[in-house]
Amino acid sequence: DAKTTQPTSMDCAEGRAANLPCNHSTISGNEYVYWYRQIHSQGPQYIIHGLKNNETNEMASLIITEDRKSSTLILPHATLRDTAVYYCIVSRDTGRRALTFGSGTRLQVQP
Amino acid sequence: GAVVSQHPSWVICKSGTSVKIECRSLDFQATTMFWYRQFPKQSLMLMATSNEGSKATYEQGVEKDKFLINHASLTLSTLTVTSAHPEDSSFYICSATPNLAGGETQYFGPGTRLLVL
Repeated sequence: DAKTTQPTSMDCAEGRAANLPCNHSTISGNEYVYWYRQIHSQGPQYIIHGLKNNETNEMASLIITEDRKSSTLILPHATLRDTAVYYCIVSRDTGRRALTFGSGTRLQVQP
Repeated sequence: GAVVSQHPSWVICKSGTSVKIECRSLDFQATTMFWYRQFPKQSLMLMATSNEGSKATYEQGVEKDKFLINHASLTLSTLTVTSAHPEDSSFYICSATPNLAGGETQYFGPGTRLLVL
């Protein structure tokens, strides 16, 4: 699976959009981009995933660049409960393959 | 969304005892489940892959005789930490993927915090 690079930490004001970047320049054509988050002392929570097209669900939007070498997770209106470590993971066929977690981005939403 | 549960959520035990942790997929079947552990201030590390009806596959450095995994049904996998020692104290997390055509998303349990005294 391709490696990913994320900033170690970010701050965001409550109510504002949080934009979390991820670089995955060695991504292969059949690899998806997944985003999970881990709130303190809990298991990771699935947020969203995509292959080529931008995706949106009730939690977030995922913007993938045309060359697929980077992506951005957008939380449109961050709340204090969005404070967590966010993991960007690139993988194919995650149903049968374990996920490789990097260090992630620690997002702190400020009141 | 798909729900994965773990039991217990936390456990304290004496050194030398065994502890069993259950991982259940509540509203879906999963042929494959994964077990991870997480030490303080570190990321999740894969311990083993659990397949229903067959032996688990362990990652390098994980002792299969110490961390016994049983995946007897499509909704339940168990991890038993045998002869636990203080260095086994950690946060143990399981994950599972629904057996659906094109199923490609893993869902994680809430984790089990183990403290060995």
